[in-house]
Amino acid sequence: DQQVKQNSPSLSVQEGRISILNCDYTNSMFDYFLWYKKYPAEGPTFLISISSIKDKNEDGRFTVFLNKSAKHLSLHIVPSQPGDSAVYFCAASDGGTYKYIFGTGTRLKVLA
Amino acid sequence: EAQVTQNPRYLITVTGKKLTVTCSQNMNHEYMSWYRQDPGLGLRQIYYSMNVEVTDKGDVPEGYKVSRKEKRNFPLILESPSPNQTSLYFCASSSRASTGELFFGEGSRLTVL
Repeated sequence: DQQVKQNSPSLSVQEGRISILNCDYTNSMFDYFLWYKKYPAEGPTFLISISSIKDKNEDGRFTVFLNKSAKHLSLHIVPSQPGDSAVYFCAASDGGTYKYIFGTGTRLKVLA
Repeated sequence: EAQVTQNPRYLITVTGKKLTVTCSQNMNHEYMSWYRQDPGLGLRQIYYSMNVEVTDKGDVPEGYKVSRKEKRNFPLILESPSPNQTSLYFCASSSRASTGELFFGEGSRLTVL
């Protein structure tokens, strides 16, 4: 039972354009959501997060949107750069269980 | 430099030979956890610890043990490794459970023959 789903295994975008990575979840008890970026042979690194009481959070080129009614969140990267090419994981946590549930990842390729 | 350090980074072992993957963090974080990454399955939580002497199961704890005797260390123990435990393992720590940014180690690639 995959509680956090990233249905697109891969995405290619031209440099300078917008990248949109999507994530769906099923557990309405999740109250905090995070995005991580992972390069080969490295551990995941934190990008941006959002609390369930908000619907948008921005940090530079990265914006996360949360639609609680649809149980959907998305990460927007504008403008996309070749250095953004990596695997992106979304994650959700439930404050009651202290567990983090990760999606399966989306491989983003930004074409120069 | 703030970091999470895992050892070994790479290990090939045989079925049944006990092994320990160490994890140490220098950020005085209370929360630590272990994950495994497998193709098509993403990152799955094995165990986590809220503080010293407090540990709990994640989603895939079978075949693993952990201990948290000191705040900075959270070793992962495979008492009798099997080939289905061949995976890439990550240790992570956070200053706040469930709402904190997780800091990950660089990973330990384990192969069980």
